[in-house]
Amino acid sequence: DTAVSQTPKYLVTQMGNDKSIKCEQNLGHDTMYWYKQDSKKFLKIMFSYNNKELIINETVPNRFSPKSPDKAHLNLHINSLELGDSAVYFCASSPDRIMNTEAFFGQGTRLTVV
Amino acid sequence: GESVGLHLPTLSVQEGDNSIINCAYSNSASDYFIWYKQESGKGPQFIIDIRSNMDKRQGQRVTVLLNKTVKHLSLQIAATQPGDSAVYFCAENSYNFNKFYFGSGTKLNVKP
Repeated sequence: DTAVSQTPKYLVTQMGNDKSIKCEQNLGHDTMYWYKQDSKKFLKIMFSYNNKELIINETVPNRFSPKSPDKAHLNLHINSLELGDSAVYFCASSPDRIMNTEAFFGQGTRLTVV
Repeated sequence: GESVGLHLPTLSVQEGDNSIINCAYSNSASDYFIWYKQESGKGPQFIIDIRSNMDKRQGQRVTVLLNKTVKHLSLQIAATQPGDSAVYFCAENSYNFNKFYFGSGTKLNVKP
């Protein structure tokens, strides 16, 4: 069974559209994240949720809105897509925000805005 | 390693040789460090971690060294294999705030 799963794996859309990426983890973890990886492979945290509550928002534009219906899910909705939003988006989870442990990553969603 | 221009720094090694990948971290308050491996088209995968109260930790074929004085981390891979070809990232974190900051990545290319 996949530990952290994201859908879709690929997403091609036009500028100005609104799209969502879904993420689910079956590890029983309390903390989930969204990371953005640019074309230079640089990984930057966007959001972190702990038990459905937002704990980190790294100066991401308001067009990006995460939603956590329960602690196993963290979805990312993006409004008014721009060319610069093209990247690979990774969802991740970790057991607890207090204990330093590894984060488990999904396979990524490659978003291409045309 | 540090990114130069638009390209990831690349380390090319011969199969069977040992590899050393370096990382400089920025936050002296960071107390937990992880090395991740990212294969093409996949998400980062945990390799090994180390806490700031240690300076060396060994896994299977991998060793991580931590030098807090100069804020430097290295990953040593023994007897490198073609399956080790990937991009390697170091990540740093501070206690009590689970937010990982990733380094810029190094591409390891293993030649058969």
